[in-house]
Amino acid sequence: SYELTQPPSVSVSPGQTARITCSADALPKQYAYWYQQKPGQAPVLVIYKDSERPSGIPERFSGSSSGTTVTLTISGVQAEDEADYYCQSADSSGTWVFGGGTKLTVL
Amino acid sequence: QITLKESGPTLVKPTQTLTLTCTFSGFSLSTSGVGVGWIRQPPGKALEWLALIYWNDDKRYSPSLKSRLTITKDTSKNQVVLTMTNMDPVDTATYYCAHKPRAPFYYMDVWGKGTTVTVSS
Repeated sequence: SYELTQPPSVSVSPGQTARITCSADALPKQYAYWYQQKPGQAPVLVIYKDSERPSGIPERFSGSSSGTTVTLTISGVQAEDEADYYCQSADSSGTWVFGGGTKLTVL
Repeated sequence: QITLKESGPTLVKPTQTLTLTCTFSGFSLSTSGVGVGWIRQPPGKALEWLALIYWNDDKRYSPSLKSRLTITKDTSKNQVVLTMTNMDPVDTATYYCAHKPRAPFYYMDVWGKGTTVTVSS
């Protein structure tokens, strides 16, 4: 089955750049999507189609893709960005899948 | 404004069948491309995609849970129902429903707040 692999945790100091990767284990890769989830809250979409930002999401959130790896980049990290981040995609049969999640800690 | 709300029992016994309802507003599930999906999250663990139903009644299920899941829609009531059979304590989780927009891409842009289900005798 299709799997997405994320690092369990990433730590950065305020103002620095955080990069969270998500690797697919098979080709062809579909677009990837990123969600932010804060404790006790539902996930919020922060990036769609690898690099598009929904309205209302700060410009410091960006996404990129290279081969079978996509990356969520948060530039100028703020304390409020501390959260769990999940990538999500789908395989060619239309089965959706989430990555295991990455806990972003702002030091 | 799109909103979704999950409802159902908070406690079920092992081997019972869970029935969850997602009641939504702000969109129609008869609009081409639109879908509603279910995702769950066990305490302290990752999100897990469960199922999705499209405007044309096409359905997709998680391969690992397919034998236990059924997703249906009632367009006139703006509701999507998920049933999961043979519940087990490992199915204890927060269950979310979410909106898939009409764009031809696989993502959820609006989520409900979730409902917590505990499986215990």
